[in-house]
Amino acid sequence: EPEVTQTPSHQVTQMGQEVILRCVPISNHLYFYWYRQILGQKVEFLVSFYNNEISEKSEIFDDQFSVERPDGSNFTLKIRSTKLEDSAMYFCASSKTTGGGRETQYFGPGTRLLVL
Amino acid sequence: AQKITQTQPGMFVQEKEAVTLDCTYDTSDPSYGLFWYKQPSSGEMIFLIYQGSYDQQNATEGRYSLNFQKARKSANLVISASQLGDSAMYFCAMREGRRYGNKLVFGAGTILRVKS
Repeated sequence: EPEVTQTPSHQVTQMGQEVILRCVPISNHLYFYWYRQILGQKVEFLVSFYNNEISEKSEIFDDQFSVERPDGSNFTLKIRSTKLEDSAMYFCASSKTTGGGRETQYFGPGTRLLVL
Repeated sequence: AQKITQTQPGMFVQEKEAVTLDCTYDTSDPSYGLFWYKQPSSGEMIFLIYQGSYDQQNATEGRYSLNFQKARKSANLVISASQLGDSAMYFCAMREGRRYGNKLVFGAGTILRVKS
């Protein structure tokens, strides 16, 4: 069964460094998302992406964040200058259009980011 | 106001028994979808079941069923014949509107422990 994949599974970085989190969505999906989950907290929406542009973004998704689909398969989240509070699990998700709004978002296994 | 409320931080259930995890939601949009995801200790988010606001019948997927009470704005997950592998965090989530690509809003989650 097709699945969303994410790399790396774990990333440790120093505060102020740039990180790029990578995702390969399910191949026939058209909508892509990033969510994050700070340890012990709820999952929060960051950004959605469709047709090579951002559809919606949350307040969390400030100028330090960017997303890109550099080729036909990868979807990336870049954090330009990481802060301690960016430490979280980052989930990529994807969905395709179906009739009647029965659209399910399938999540990748996550990248656990630790900022020191 | 919280969009999704899960009032049970933790639940215990005996193996082979049924358990109900509560979820209430708040929306003024007549079109919405409700989702349940399972998050094992390994961290991935596994889609379990979906209920659309216009669905006439409660959703079922194997041992999972959704007790959808629209007037009460509740969408409780029922797991029948619990197994040890059901021990995990369970999240209720909502997508508002019929537009494809809308974000999911998650509740705080319920930790379920299945006892042998």
